[in-house]
Amino acid sequence: DSGVTQTPKHLITATGQRVTLRCSPRSGDLSVYWYQQSLDQGLQFLIQYYNGEERAKGNILERFSAQQFPDLHSELNLSSLELGDSALYFCASSVLAGNNEQFFGPGTRLTVL
Amino acid sequence: AQRVTQPEKLLSVFKGAPVELKCNYSYSGSPELFWYVQYSRQRLQLLLRHISRESIKGFTADLNKGETSFHLKKPFAQEEDSAMYYCALFRFETSGSRLTFGEGTQLTVNP
Repeated sequence: DSGVTQTPKHLITATGQRVTLRCSPRSGDLSVYWYQQSLDQGLQFLIQYYNGEERAKGNILERFSAQQFPDLHSELNLSSLELGDSALYFCASSVLAGNNEQFFGPGTRLTVL
Repeated sequence: AQRVTQPEKLLSVFKGAPVELKCNYSYSGSPELFWYVQYSRQRLQLLLRHISRESIKGFTADLNKGETSFHLKKPFAQEEDSAMYYCALFRFETSGSRLTFGEGTQLTVNP
């Protein structure tokens, strides 16, 4: 157990809908990362937050957004969902913004029907 | 731009045989490379990092800057090694940090 938690474990929804994925980092970790794992794209970095502020952006679609709250948990919001958004979404955390050791959560499996 | 390539999507070996999972990278800076393992679509777990030069579960990996490679090796594969293995390059800039992953290699160790 890495200490990173993600809810929900599974999410099934329809195209056009909006969902929110939640991540709680390890105690003491200030940085949160979101990754998407899909069969065709592999593991892709989406976005990083550090102590409440956005630090780095990867291949994140405009329909997606994220935020990190004062208690350091993070939420990834996915809107106008498409079939191709079906994937496993991982959250990871690290102590600092530039710390190279990232601890991954169990992921949220999103299925868009 | 940084890039990580794992040329083999699937690798199948017999128990007790040596195994090598290939990873090549391109990065203009000084690389920090990692191997992550994922069992049955579970969470990603850090297996190795090049700076520690340690051996975990019998696996080792050496960074070869000349060949820009970070291949993962184990002399005697075990059935429990069957998993998805990802090579990753860590990039840190003032604008933020991230891991760039290779496509992954699915290792199957047959009895």
